[in-house]
Amino acid sequence: NAGVTQTPKFQVLKTGQSMTLQCAQDMNHEYMSWYRQDPGMGLRLIHYSVGAGITDQGEVPNGYNVSRSTTEDFPLRLLSAAPSQTSVYFCASSYARGQPSQETQYFGPGTRLLVL
Amino acid sequence: KNQVEQSPQSLIILEGKNCTLQCNYTVSPFSNLRWYKQDTGRGPVSLTIMTFSENTKSNGRYTATLDADTKQSSLHITASQLSDSASYICVVSPYSGAGSYQLTFGKGTKLSVIP
Repeated sequence: NAGVTQTPKFQVLKTGQSMTLQCAQDMNHEYMSWYRQDPGMGLRLIHYSVGAGITDQGEVPNGYNVSRSTTEDFPLRLLSAAPSQTSVYFCASSYARGQPSQETQYFGPGTRLLVL
Repeated sequence: KNQVEQSPQSLIILEGKNCTLQCNYTVSPFSNLRWYKQDTGRGPVSLTIMTFSENTKSNGRYTATLDADTKQSSLHITASQLSDSASYICVVSPYSGAGSYQLTFGKGTKLSVIP
């Protein structure tokens, strides 16, 4: 299993440009999520999905869109990049058995984004 | 607001020594507490998950403890190795059904193990 994969690893954007960060997992996990990690702060949840066709907002959703058309893929779209979106972005996945969740989350290697 | 506070912010120890990292949280109601290890430039990797009814859980040289009454957890690392150099992140999950996936992350403790 490849686990959780993310592309690209690095990206530089100009203010106002749009782009899509890719995330894929091959573990048949129902739950997928996107986080951003900024210096001196804990990871913050952007958007999450509990299954294909189902998405919801996390703590910091503004400026980002997501969709979940398949179980495997969960892309994150930046609509109009801003310098405040400079960050490291992590995708994570887990099974969604049981509420509350006690499932282990598996994280991807991250995408480092710089917005000029 | 749910919060997770970790201490110390950073720690330097000699190889072979033990250390303990602290985590205080205000998440309530509470479902489970997790410890992650994050190597520089990598994604976090799960070390332990404890429910509110568990007091301790081990994963090799890592032992996590939980006191749900005082809302405190600790991660003890025994016989440290150079490969233990990383950030250790405490994460708390609320007890709220589907919302239990909305985890609250601490800022982490950066551990450096030196020869």
